[in-house]
This record gives sequence, structure tokens and C-alpha cells, in this order.
Amino acid sequence: DQQVKQNSPSLSVQEGRISILNCDYTNSMFDYFLWYKKYPAEGPTFLISISSIKDKNEDGRFTVFLNKSAKHLSLHIVPSQPGDSAVYFCAASSPGSARQLTFGSGTQLTVLP
Amino acid sequence: DSGVTQTPKHLITATGQRVTLRCSPRSGDLSVYWYQQSLDQGLQFLIQYYNGEERAKGNILERFSAQQFPDLHSELNLSSLELGDSALYFCASSEGISYNEQFFGPGTRLTVL
Repeated sequence: DQQVKQNSPSLSVQEGRISILNCDYTNSMFDYFLWYKKYPAEGPTFLISISSIKDKNEDGRFTVFLNKSAKHLSLHIVPSQPGDSAVYFCAASSPGSARQLTFGSGTQLTVLP
Repeated sequence: DSGVTQTPKHLITATGQRVTLRCSPRSGDLSVYWYQQSLDQGLQFLIQYYNGEERAKGNILERFSAQQFPDLHSELNLSSLELGDSALYFCASSEGISYNEQFFGPGTRLTVL
């Protein structure tokens, strides 16, 4: 049972345009959501996060939106750059002592010059 | 560079063998997490240690075990290896016991032949 789902395995956008990556979750106990970026042969790199008490968090070109009623979050990258090409993972955690992350399957973003 | 180191980078071994993967967390981080990324499963949480003690277990097989030493480095031991254990194994660390942002190492690629 996949609790965090990224239904688009890949996404291609033109340089300078907006990239929108989507993520859905089923576990209503999740209260913190994170996006990680992963390049080949490297570990995931933390990008941006959002607590369930907020509906938006912005950091430079990256904005994460959370819609709790729909159990949906999205990552917007504006403007997209070729260096953004990577696999993007959505992750979630729930309250508790461990805070282990439950990951989605990832979306390969390709930004075309 | 996340500050988390993992050795070795690559490991090739045969079925039935035992291997040990090593992880050094970021300076000051007390929590260590282990994740497995296989082709068909995505990133799966295995186990967490905090300051030397096991805190949470995920989808970790009984053939696998881990420990965290007084200097906070951690080892993941995989025994009676099977072909299906071939995967990328990531270590992540975080500051506290229930801190949300985790920082990942570059991973160890295990190939079981």
C-alpha cells in the first residue's frame, strides 16, 4: 500500500518555464512533507519542506503547496533551469519519536534548453 | 556535500554471503537512518538509531541488522544475501531524535550475484 504517490514518472519542461511536480498521500497522520532532489550516483538532497499547519512555503525559485483536504502537495519551480534536471522525491513523516520518511516513487524532471 | 559519508561506494558479492555497510553521520547529528532503494520499490525505511539505541524499525528483514557505535557511526549488516537484496543502501542523519530534515549520504550500491 503506497502511502505517498507520485503518479508522473517523468516530466519535461522548457527552460524558463514553470515545472509543477505533484504528490498525493493517503495517510492522514502525516504532518510534515519534504521534497528531495536526486542526481544519478548521489544521495537525495533536501530541497524544501512544509508543515501541515501551512499551505505554502517558498524558498527562492521553489514553492511547495499543500492541500490537506485533497491530501495533495505540489512543488513549483520557477523559472526552471537545465541544472534542475533530476529525480524529485516527495516524502512525508508523521508525529512520533522516529520521524522516518515515507517516500514516493519519484518524478524525473528534464529541463530542456 | 551533505556531510554524511558511506563506505564502500560499491560492493559486489555472492548469494549466501555477509556484508557490512558503514555510515558516518554529519558532525553533531545523533540520529542515523538506513534506507533501501531497489528498482521496483523506491526508497524504503529500514531502521533508525538515536545516540546508540534502536528507535524504530521499518521494512527490515530478519537477515539484516544494524548498530550505532559510541562515536555515532553506524553499520548495517546484511547476511545470507539473496539476489533480491541487490539495491542502493542510503544512510541519512538528523540532529535529534525526531527531527524532520534528514541529510543523506551518497549510498552504497550492493550487487549480489
